[in-house]
Amino acid sequence: QKEVEQDPGPLSVPEGAIVSLNCTYSNSAFQYFMWYRQYSRKGPELLMYTYSSGNKEDGRFTAQVDKSSKYISLFIRDSQPSDSATYLCAMSVNSGYALNFGKGTSLLVTP
Amino acid sequence: DGGITQSPKYLFRKEGQNVTLSCEQNLNHDAMYWYRQDPGQGLRLIYYSQIVNDFQKGDIAEGYSVSREKKESFPLTVTSAQKNPTAFYLCASSISLWEKLFFGSGTQLSVL
Repeated sequence: QKEVEQDPGPLSVPEGAIVSLNCTYSNSAFQYFMWYRQYSRKGPELLMYTYSSGNKEDGRFTAQVDKSSKYISLFIRDSQPSDSATYLCAMSVNSGYALNFGKGTSLLVTP
Repeated sequence: DGGITQSPKYLFRKEGQNVTLSCEQNLNHDAMYWYRQDPGQGLRLIYYSQIVNDFQKGDIAEGYSVSREKKESFPLTVTSAQKNPTAFYLCASSISLWEKLFFGSGTQLSVL
């Protein structure tokens, strides 16, 4: 079993929809959780960085961590065509430990 | 503007040839990394460096080599021993080891 699982998609939604992107993980020691956005043939861009459980909001983006279920989510409100990209989750045990990346979910927001 | 610059954007390798991918950062970050991205494979760590003159192998280091002679620079050489080099290569840096990683725009390497 991979340490971090992420549905590759593609996920297609109409403009304005609420998008939910998810990752599951097997290592209960993970404490740091990140979401990256990657446009085609570009480098990943850090969107959200959270520690332990709970929610973190930044504009239209909300990151949610449920450590009891080993499940993290990224919600995008009022989705826009410019949100079309691949979204990668990443997590680590501690700030000094290697990151474990999911394989990414491809999102397409149609006008 | 602070950031990470990778060059070239596209690179072609002939069989038996070594090629070097450039990565320069002006963020004053101590740690730097090289990842390989293949379709459906996600990001795989090749090498990383915590400080100047020090680097460690990642999960798929065979056929690759690096150097870290300057804080700002972390070039990756893809040697002829790497039999399947076609991939998208990403360089990243962070203020300290495994803190928030910031990525460059990538280099697409293809075999002629």
